[in-house]
Amino acid sequence: AQSVTQLGSHVSVSEGALVLLRCNYSSSVPPYLFWYVQYPNQGLQLLLKYTSAATLVKGINGFEAEFKKSETSFHLTKPSAHMSDAAEYFCAVSFLNTGFQKLVFGTGTRLLVSP
Amino acid sequence: KAGVTQTPRYLIKTRGQQVTLSCSPISGHRSVSWYQQTPGQGLQFLFEYFSETQRNKGNFPGRFSGRQFSNSRSEMNVSTLELGDSALYLCASSFVVGRGRGSYNEQFFGPGTRLTVL
Repeated sequence: AQSVTQLGSHVSVSEGALVLLRCNYSSSVPPYLFWYVQYPNQGLQLLLKYTSAATLVKGINGFEAEFKKSETSFHLTKPSAHMSDAAEYFCAVSFLNTGFQKLVFGTGTRLLVSP
Repeated sequence: KAGVTQTPRYLIKTRGQQVTLSCSPISGHRSVSWYQQTPGQGLQFLFEYFSETQRNKGNFPGRFSGRQFSNSRSEMNVSTLELGDSALYLCASSFVVGRGRGSYNEQFFGPGTRLTVL
């Protein structure tokens, strides 16, 4: 079955430091992968997506993610953290199930940014 | 295009009551999914509607139900509320990009309805 695993429920960084949020997927077919961000009391916003066009995907707010098939990973990175990046981040995989598309989310990683 | 809208944004109910939440998808999107989000359980899939038909369902009791109208607007209903139903309920509208095995589902979320059960 298709699934995603996010390592670390909480990640803490200092402002200006590298952000690395980990996501590993399990899929028997080529996966389509997404990262979403959620700010407090808001819905999820799409950060970026991998749809097999390019392995390095750039998203909004300076985030990017690299699809590595050999490692079954899709980690999210940002070179320099900003206070406004503090939020919860969800990795998700989309796949075809019984003729319909299904989207499965990871458990989320809360990013804390200290000054 | 206007985004996904959910009403109301906040709701307070007491145990045993029932509640109806509403979701208006992005214009042109025919699929609407509902999720429950709690600190303990995270993001959990409730159900998905497409063209007025429920086509995917999560593992929730029958107290949770939904429907979709011909204009793709959707409602979800929770009857006989319990304290544990307190959560942020998120609606997402989506469309499928591509076809067959080469397709994927892209979802757009609303701001959610915060339900508090006392």
